[in-house]
Amino acid sequence: GENVEQHPSTLSVQEGDSAVIKCTYSDSASNYFPWYKQELGKRPQLIIDIRSNVGEKKDQRIAVTLNKTAKHFSLHITETQPEDSAVYFCAASGSGGSNYKLTFGKGTLLTVNP
Amino acid sequence: GAVVSQHPSWVICKSGTSVKIECRSLDFQATTMFWYRQFPKQSLMLMATSNEGSKATYEQGVEKDKFLINHASLTLSTLTVTSAHPEDSSFYICSASFSGSFYHNEQFFGPGTRLTVL
Repeated sequence: GENVEQHPSTLSVQEGDSAVIKCTYSDSASNYFPWYKQELGKRPQLIIDIRSNVGEKKDQRIAVTLNKTAKHFSLHITETQPEDSAVYFCAASGSGGSNYKLTFGKGTLLTVNP
Repeated sequence: GAVVSQHPSWVICKSGTSVKIECRSLDFQATTMFWYRQFPKQSLMLMATSNEGSKATYEQGVEKDKFLINHASLTLSTLTVTSAHPEDSSFYICSASFSGSFYHNEQFFGPGTRLTVL
């Protein structure tokens, strides 16, 4: 099955700096790569996603890049703010029929220091 | 749009009892629902996938007789934790998806249910 590796596990940055989180996946048939932000005790919140027919996608301060050949994708947050502090998960959609199940990375605890 | 609710938001029960958690898609028909378990400071682990009207597909290592899943309609799935024990204490999250050219693959998450077994 799909295996998703995520690095780093913790990331501390100063307010205004950029943050980058990287993920690799194993199943070359995966075609959907979402990123989620999860605050303590809350549901995962989709912040951006990318599909395999696109190499890069940007939404204001957040961008995601995808390298299908290398099977890795990255989340870039610019001009970080304290409210960006949370756990971020990457995921990849499996190729199993119509179920489209997601395999998650282990998460990155991002701390933005004021 | 694409709102998913869960009930209850939290539950405390005694060891040996059963607990039912409901997951509803409020404004769309969910062709597939997923159940996840998340232990503190860990990632979401998929427990099972269910399609309306058919038996759930469980992930390896998940006991189907302990975690009963029913997906009786396109808007409701239930997870019953039978004979719960303290090690079943966790955050249970459901998600739902529907077939569609634009939302292909996307899952919409419920708010989660915190289960504590004493």
